Amino acid sequence: ETGVTQTPRHLVMGMTNKKSLKCEQHLGHNAMYWYKQSAKKPLELMFVYNFKEQTENNSVPSRFSPECPNSSHLFLHLHTLQPEDSALYLCASSPMEREGPQYGWYFGPGTRLTVT
Amino acid sequence: GQSLEQPSEVTAVEGAIVQINCTYQTSGFYGLSWYQQHDGGAPTFLSYNALDGLEETGRFSSFLSRSDSYGYLLLQELQMKDSASYFCAVGDNQGGKLIFGQGTELSVKP
Repeated sequence: ETGVTQTPRHLVMGMTNKKSLKCEQHLGHNAMYWYKQSAKKPLELMFVYNFKEQTENNSVPSRFSPECPNSSHLFLHLHTLQPEDSALYLCASSPMEREGPQYGWYFGPGTRLTVT
Repeated sequence: GQSLEQPSEVTAVEGAIVQINCTYQTSGFYGLSWYQQHDGGAPTFLSYNALDGLEETGRFSSFLSRSDSYGYLLLQELQMKDSASYFCAVGDNQGGKLIFGQGTELSVKP
């Protein structure tokens, strides 16, 4: 247990569906991140939030829409996804956006997404 | 561009020592980190090097040479539970971003 939880753990959705992924941490961290992990590829940073403000959008398609209502919760809203979007979506948190590396990012277990 | 290179697979036997190398090419550098990920699990933080040299944490050690843009993770007294994927990651953007390598799958055999 890392202190970061993600729901659901598994999700199968059609290309026309709308779904949301949820991430929650109660570590007192102020920075939260979405990463995409595809097989045999590096983890790809998608979005960064620091004190609820988005500070990084790594050229992510608009069919992925993040939301951070407070420092403890992060959502990823999904709509009209493509089969190539099937991957493990990982949420992470760190104390602050620029004070994280030496303390480690805390990752959730991920949501395994399959787009059919 | 930004890239980190590490071997895709390494195999070793229980009790042995294994070294996983990582070379990086990034626009900024704010430390080299290592993460472990078991199948189906969350990546977990192992170590961090900001300065050149060796950092030791129990059976695991991590080394950094900034002049060579190179680092490694050393695992000693290997155990079966060490079978996992190991990722190196470089802090970029003043530490605000972690850029990951593609991961090294370590298999520990009896």
